[in-house]
Amino acid sequence: DIQMTQSPSSLSAFVGDRVTITCRAGQSISTYLNWYQQKPGKAPKLLIYAASTLESGVPSRFSGSGSGTDFTLTISSLQPEDFATYYCQQSYGTPPTFGQGTKVGIK
Amino acid sequence: EVQLVESGGNLVQPGGSLRLSCAASGFAFSRYAMSWVRQAPGKGLQWVSAMSATGGSTYFADSLKGRFTISRDNSMNTLYLQMNSLRAEDTAVYYCAKVKDSSTWYEGGFDNWGQGTLVTVSS
Repeated sequence: DIQMTQSPSSLSAFVGDRVTITCRAGQSISTYLNWYQQKPGKAPKLLIYAASTLESGVPSRFSGSGSGTDFTLTISSLQPEDFATYYCQQSYGTPPTFGQGTKVGIK
Repeated sequence: EVQLVESGGNLVQPGGSLRLSCAASGFAFSRYAMSWVRQAPGKGLQWVSAMSATGGSTYFADSLKGRFTISRDNSMNTLYLQMNSLRAEDTAVYYCAKVKDSSTWYEGGFDNWGQGTLVTVSS
């Protein structure tokens, strides 16, 4: 299985801050990397697929980059509704595997 | 609008069985592979199983092979997960999820998820 490691595991930020979350794959996965947002008690929501393509309806303050083994999710200006847990997921090899999550909290 | 509605979660004793259902609407169900993904309380996401659009191929997490079975009824737009020999570590919210890309069973991520159904394995 391809191991996915996110950092940090949690962070605190102010509204308006720029936030970056990192995801590292245990082997090269090209750009087969997806990002999800999950709020408490809710299902995950796809934000970005293929490393950098914004899912329809997702605000443009979210962006993704990277290829190979290193990827980032950036929120350019954190909004109150962005406080949530974020997961990366590789779709290069089977089984699909997720990172452990990064919880973004209010500072 | 795509809708996925899971049902069937319950409290079950260790060693017991349970069948989960996922009713789909708002898209061409028979054209898309579907997956089950679970989340133990306070934990992260774990992919469980998938089935191809036609039902001809199935995929399982290695740790679950032999205990779980996936199936679908394209005439009823419904996905199922049969879970046998349940263990305490199977306690989780189980989500069904639609693959984004109809040409594959896992590439492109999962673009629609149900609300989840809770399975609790405890005596």
